[in-house]
Parts: sequence; structure tokens; C-alpha cells
Amino acid sequence: DAMVIQNPRYQVTQFGKPVTLSCSQTLNHNVMYWYQQKSSQAPKLLFHYYDKDFNNEADTPDNFQSRRPNTSFCFLDIRSPGLGDAAMYLCATSRGGAYEQYFGPGTRLTVT
Amino acid sequence: AQSVTQPDIHITVSEGASLELRCNYSYGATPYLFWYVQSPGQGLQLLLKYFSGDTLVQGIKGFEAEFKRSQSSFNLRKPSVHWSDAAEYFCAVGVSGGGADGLTFGKGTHLIIQP
Repeated sequence: DAMVIQNPRYQVTQFGKPVTLSCSQTLNHNVMYWYQQKSSQAPKLLFHYYDKDFNNEADTPDNFQSRRPNTSFCFLDIRSPGLGDAAMYLCATSRGGAYEQYFGPGTRLTVT
Repeated sequence: AQSVTQPDIHITVSEGASLELRCNYSYGATPYLFWYVQSPGQGLQLLLKYFSGDTLVQGIKGFEAEFKRSQSSFNLRKPSVHWSDAAEYFCAVGVSGGGADGLTFGKGTHLIIQP
């Protein structure tokens, strides 16, 4: 089945230690998104790629970066995680334009 | 900028009873509207969407939603809930169909099903 895959499902990192979260898709969608969802809160968009064009939300901290080496993969890099970055990170894809987004299962990040 | 309000943080419904979850949006033009469901520790699953046309839309798992422009609402309904419907429900609004610009989510409604 076509889908959005996130690895790992659970990630523990130390305060200040860089971490990378991975997302891949078999849907061949143009757009890939990263959302941050803190406990009992709504998902919040961090940034997205439309093909190779990167779009950063204005309030996304500089500590968060993303890479999309090809259509299928997208990575979220957190350069120096703080305790406040502990959250569920959701990857989503879309064809772009008037189409819905499909979400992966998420990666739960714990910062110790 | 668009925004979404889900006025009910928690709702408790008896199994077999009907359900209505409220959603109000703010957006200057015709919005693209979505309902997603999230089980604990999981990603979001699309229940249904409204882009245009018939204002009553049918979704998966027996859910439906009605777009009311005059009330800026997009309420989710189900005639008879099952214990497996217990989850977090998010209403979302998109610009350009949510395809390129991301979705703005409401804060969610936690649905509790009691026997």
C-alpha cells in the first residue's frame, strides 16, 4: 500500500545533541510537510517542501532544519535539541493544490 | 490568516448515541475544510474533506460533516458511535486546498465513549 513512513517511531536524544528524523513516501507526492505536535495540542506546521522549493514558517526556530534529497525522502534536523523540543513530529504529504494531506504515524522525540 | 475553533475540549458520549463535534473557522474566502482523527500515539487519519459542491459530505467510518457558510461552521456528525471511535478529533482549514501551504488545525476535541 502507498503510504507515509516515519523512522524511528521513538527517538531519545540528549539535550544539545543533534538528531535527525526521517520521512519517506511511496505516494509520489510533490509536497512534504513537517509538523510539531506537543502533548494535548494541535499539530503546528514547521515547514514544507514543494518539490525542491523549501518554505519555512515564520515562527519556526532556527534550530530546526530540513532536507529533501529526492521526491521520496525528507529529513528533519534538530541541531541542538532543548527540553522544549520534546514532541511528536508528524510528516505529511500532498499532491499540492486542492488536495488533502496524508500523515505518517509520527516520531515521538524525548529529550533528556 | 485563517483560524479554527473547536469549542469543546472533551465530549463524553454513550456507545450507540449520536455525536456532533463543533468546528468554526475564520477565513476570508471559501475555505477547504477537513476532519482528521488521531488515536493515542498515532498519526492523523483523514475522515472527510470539503472543497466545493454539496455542503453535506460523507466520510469514512460512518462520519459526515456539513459546511454552513452563514455560520462559518463545519460540524462533524455520526448517528451512532462505537467504542472504537474514542480518539482525538481535529478540524482543519487549508488555503489552496491545503496542498501547498499547510493546514491550520483547531485544538482538537477529545471524544470519550462510555459503555
